[in-house]
Amino acid sequence: EVQLLESGGGLLQPGGSLRLSCAASGFTFSSYAMNWVRQAPGKGLEWVSTISASGGQTFYAESVKGRFTISRDNSKNTLYLQMNSLRAEDTAVYYCAKYAVAADLEYFDYWGQGTLVSVSS
Amino acid sequence: DIQMTQSPSSLSASVGDRVTITCRASQSIRKFLNWYQQKPGKAPKLLIYAASNLQGGVSSRFSGRGSGTDFSLTISSLQPEDFATYYCQQSYSSPTFGPGTKVDIK
Repeated sequence: EVQLLESGGGLLQPGGSLRLSCAASGFTFSSYAMNWVRQAPGKGLEWVSTISASGGQTFYAESVKGRFTISRDNSKNTLYLQMNSLRAEDTAVYYCAKYAVAADLEYFDYWGQGTLVSVSS
Repeated sequence: DIQMTQSPSSLSASVGDRVTITCRASQSIRKFLNWYQQKPGKAPKLLIYAASNLQGGVSSRFSGRGSGTDFSLTISSLQPEDFATYYCQQSYSSPTFGPGTKVDIK
């Protein structure tokens, strides 16, 4: 059974830093690209970042580019999101999501339960 | 970025009703359109990928169709567990989601 378990969320002040983790199990982690998707309170879903299976390629939404860094440790089956220069608008539940890839199709087939990041003074 | 819109933004329906939600992309995304269901306080769940392919384990009362810019998700006979918010998402380029359609009980 695929499981994704996020951790690391919390309350912090604007300008602060935080690192989120996502522990994966139930599949060959090193074979799949992974993502972070966030959801502000009462709002819709927003893709944040993607990392390739090897970790060699990373992609970011414009809203976080230059401030957030996605990474992974395939030996530990863990995905990370380093979040710097946090702003109030980064307040959201952050979900870790596995990418399924079939031919040229891409979709988020499994999601973690999410971890809440609150940025407030 | 490709913008996604959904209509309606919300709807009220009864158990047993046939419900259709539409999703439109700001440019052609061919068949690269996915649908998710989200219940309050829970993570999204994949329902349909590549416009019309049912994810394993998802009830066959869900179906999807469309290509290019116009897509739809249909629930053939609404069940109590289907009351939720539904999001479309394009995977043609950097992922973007629609704003969601909330389905609640009439």
